Amino acid sequence: AQSVTQLDSHVSVSEGTPVLLRCNYSSSYSPSLFWYVQHPNKGLQLLLKYTSAATLVKGINGFEAEFKKSETSFHLTKPSAHMSDAAEYFCVVSDRRSNYQLIWGAGTKLIIKP
Amino acid sequence: NAGVTQTPKFQVLKTGQSMTLQCAQDMNHNSMYWYRQDPGMGLRLIYYSASEGTTDKGEVPNGYNVSRLNKREFSLRLESAAPSQTSVYFCASSEAWVTSGSPYEQYFGPGTRLTVT
Repeated sequence: AQSVTQLDSHVSVSEGTPVLLRCNYSSSYSPSLFWYVQHPNKGLQLLLKYTSAATLVKGINGFEAEFKKSETSFHLTKPSAHMSDAAEYFCVVSDRRSNYQLIWGAGTKLIIKP
Repeated sequence: NAGVTQTPKFQVLKTGQSMTLQCAQDMNHNSMYWYRQDPGMGLRLIYYSASEGTTDKGEVPNGYNVSRLNKREFSLRLESAAPSQTSVYFCASSEAWVTSGSPYEQYFGPGTRLTVT
């Protein structure tokens, strides 16, 4: 079965420093991978998605993620954190084995220090 | 456009009571979903409707029923609420189910926080 492991439950960075949120997945088929963001007391929003095109995917608000099949990873990065990036981030996998249902990681809470 | 709306925002139930969570979307989307979100866990799919007139079970359907009332509306019913159903419930919609071997982007409502005592 597919699964997603987000390696850190919390990540704390200073404003202006790089962000790295780590995600490993397992999938027997060609997966689609997503990052969603949930700001406090708000719904979820798609940041970016990978669907077997370019392995480096650019998303909204300066975020990007790189699909590495050999490492089964899809880490999310941003060169310079902003206070408005404070939120919870979810890595999500989907493939035909799950009938394309989204399988969600447990989430990483990103804390931005001033 | 309001996007995806959910009612109510908050609800407290006693064990054994029933209730229906309402969801509506104004984006003319074909597919709709119900998820639950529990602390320390990712979202889990309860039921989905790939198109009007169809519904299917997701990962955690026990204790729930759904109705796709029309293209816009998708409701979730708890017939006899249990404390284990205390959670935040999200409704989502997407243009369709799958394209070119990948799911469409899902758009989420603001959630309903349900407490069962």
